[in-house]
Amino acid sequence: EPEVTQTPSHQVTQMGQEVILRCVPISNHLYFYWYRQILGQKVEFLVSFYNNEISEKSEIFDDQFSVERPDGSNFTLKIRSTKLEDSAMYFCASSARNEQFFGPGTRLTVL
Amino acid sequence: EDQVTQSPEALRLQEGESSSLNCSYTVSGLRGLFWYRQDPGKGPEFLFTLYSAGEEKEKERLKATLTKKESFLHITAPKPEDSATYLCAVQAKTGANSKLTFGKGITLSVRP
Repeated sequence: EPEVTQTPSHQVTQMGQEVILRCVPISNHLYFYWYRQILGQKVEFLVSFYNNEISEKSEIFDDQFSVERPDGSNFTLKIRSTKLEDSAMYFCASSARNEQFFGPGTRLTVL
Repeated sequence: EDQVTQSPEALRLQEGESSSLNCSYTVSGLRGLFWYRQDPGKGPEFLFTLYSAGEEKEKERLKATLTKKESFLHITAPKPEDSATYLCAVQAKTGANSKLTFGKGITLSVRP
């Protein structure tokens, strides 16, 4: 069964460093998303992406964040200068219609 | 602003003891209500989508129902492997790929 994959599973970085989180969505899906979940809190929407453009973004998704689909299979989230409060699980999701399918997540730890 | 409230926060059941999880929502035009299962340290796993009041969906021991204000996830004769956090999310009719707004989740523990 097709699934969303994410790499790395765990990323540790120093405050102020840039990180890139990678995702391979399900192959026939056209809509892509990033969500995050701080430990013990709700899953929060960050950004949605369609046809090589951002469709919608939340207040969390400020100028430090960017997304890119560099080729036909990958979808990336870049955080330019990480802060302590960026520590969270980051989930990529993709959809063909309404149902969004999530990847296993990348645990980002900012020291 | 779309809002989702789930109750109770945690539920402990004996194996075989049926129960229901509640999800109350407010949304500006519902496109769909979604139930996900999340195991510790994992991503949400899709269970059901409900689109209109009165709709029901079933999968093994789980049945999801929807009214205009809330959804229930009924668990019949649960087993220990049903232990997980169950997330409810709503999607508004604001666009073809609009965001999901999640509740905090209900952590279910089923004792053998």
